[in-house]
Amino acid sequence: NAGVTQTPKFQVLKTGQSMTLQCAQDMNHNSMYWYRQDPGMGLRLIYYSASEGTTDKGEVPNGYNVSRLNKREFSLRLESAAPSQTSVYFCASSDDSPYEQYFGPGTRLTVT
Amino acid sequence: KNEVEQSPQNLTAQEGEFITINCSYSVGISALHWLQQHPGGGIVSLFMLSSGKKKHGRLIATINIQEKHSSLHITASHPRDSAVYICAGMNSGGYQKVTFGIGTKLQVIP
Repeated sequence: NAGVTQTPKFQVLKTGQSMTLQCAQDMNHNSMYWYRQDPGMGLRLIYYSASEGTTDKGEVPNGYNVSRLNKREFSLRLESAAPSQTSVYFCASSDDSPYEQYFGPGTRLTVT
Repeated sequence: KNEVEQSPQNLTAQEGEFITINCSYSVGISALHWLQQHPGGGIVSLFMLSSGKKKHGRLIATINIQEKHSSLHITASHPRDSAVYICAGMNSGGYQKVTFGIGTKLQVIP
């Protein structure tokens, strides 16, 4: 039972490059989330998915796209990376009630 | 907008001390989630509560709904408790959205 897994753990991109962050959970959770964490700020929601086939914007969606491939997998894509997207990205999943969230190990992304 | 405020932002304690971290939240938040972020970056769920008190080992979390305030207590603190503790408000209204505090960085010195 791996919980929530994310790949890669570290990534360096040049401005304008694209990449996809992968997330998978094996807890049969309906809800999945992508957050970014920046120094001096709380975790901020980028996108979330309440169920397979649905996605919704969070607080900071600009510059990102997501895909809920199936119940287990939720990917985050940066189409054209910018230095402002340098951050640590966390994927999480939750049960339906009371929505207690379980986090992946994070991806540290640097855009130069 | 729902808000969550934590205090203090930084805390240094001697091993064995009793530690309290506070979290205040705004209207619209129906439950509190306490999380621990290890120095390596991983985030672990500690407690989720909407009323009363919960205890797990040396950790105790309380919530006062009327005052919109929650506390996380650590008894007999140990250097391995050194981490960032994050309070998160679960928004009411049927959404699975969460408002996170910026965290309290705790260092326990031997």
